[in-house]
Amino acid sequence: GAVVSQHPSWVICKSGTSVKIECRSLDFQATTMFWYRQFPKQSLMLMATSNEGSKATYEQGVEKDKFLINHASLTLSTLTVTSAHPEDSSFYICSAAGGAWGNQPQHFGDGTRLSIL
Amino acid sequence: AQSVTQLGSHVSVSEGALVLLRCNYSSSVPPYLFWYVQYPNQGLQLLLKYTTGATLVKGINGFEAEFKKSETSFHLTKPSAHMSDAAEYFCAVRADNYGQNFVFGPGTRLSVLP
Repeated sequence: GAVVSQHPSWVICKSGTSVKIECRSLDFQATTMFWYRQFPKQSLMLMATSNEGSKATYEQGVEKDKFLINHASLTLSTLTVTSAHPEDSSFYICSAAGGAWGNQPQHFGDGTRLSIL
Repeated sequence: AQSVTQLGSHVSVSEGALVLLRCNYSSSVPPYLFWYVQYPNQGLQLLLKYTTGATLVKGINGFEAEFKKSETSFHLTKPSAHMSDAAEYFCAVRADNYGQNFVFGPGTRLSVLP
């Protein structure tokens, strides 16, 4: 089946640093990738949707300058948390979908736990 | 707009007992409905989905769900719980017919007691 790889799975860093999270579709072309954030014991909240080669569409309330998303190829999207602070600590999950407008089934990565000290 | 509610943030059942996790949705368009399972520190795994056709949908690990339009429900069931079923379960509705944006419910944590 389709596989989405997310790296790193866990990262701990100091406040003020920037952290990059990668999301790769291993065996299909992901025309659309989604980035979610999940707080402890809560549901997933969509942060942004990115289509290959175009700018990401951010959900209301998500700072685009804080959470930089790049989807430069059909198999890779990155989320960079810039100048991270403790309140950015969370579980980040990506998903990827192929097909026109990303209308094929969505496959999720295993998530990245980000801890900011 | 779409929304999903899951009654009961935490459900406990005994091993071998019936599992019933409730999901109700609202949608302005015919919904596509999903159930996902999440194990600790992992991503989401699709259990089953309803798009069109048969309203009783069978998924992996013995789970099934029934789409009831009149009740706007998509409850998840399993006849006999196993210890390995302990996890967080999310019901989701797709927000539109063409995109893939999901609206997730708040989740239900299932505990299975020996």
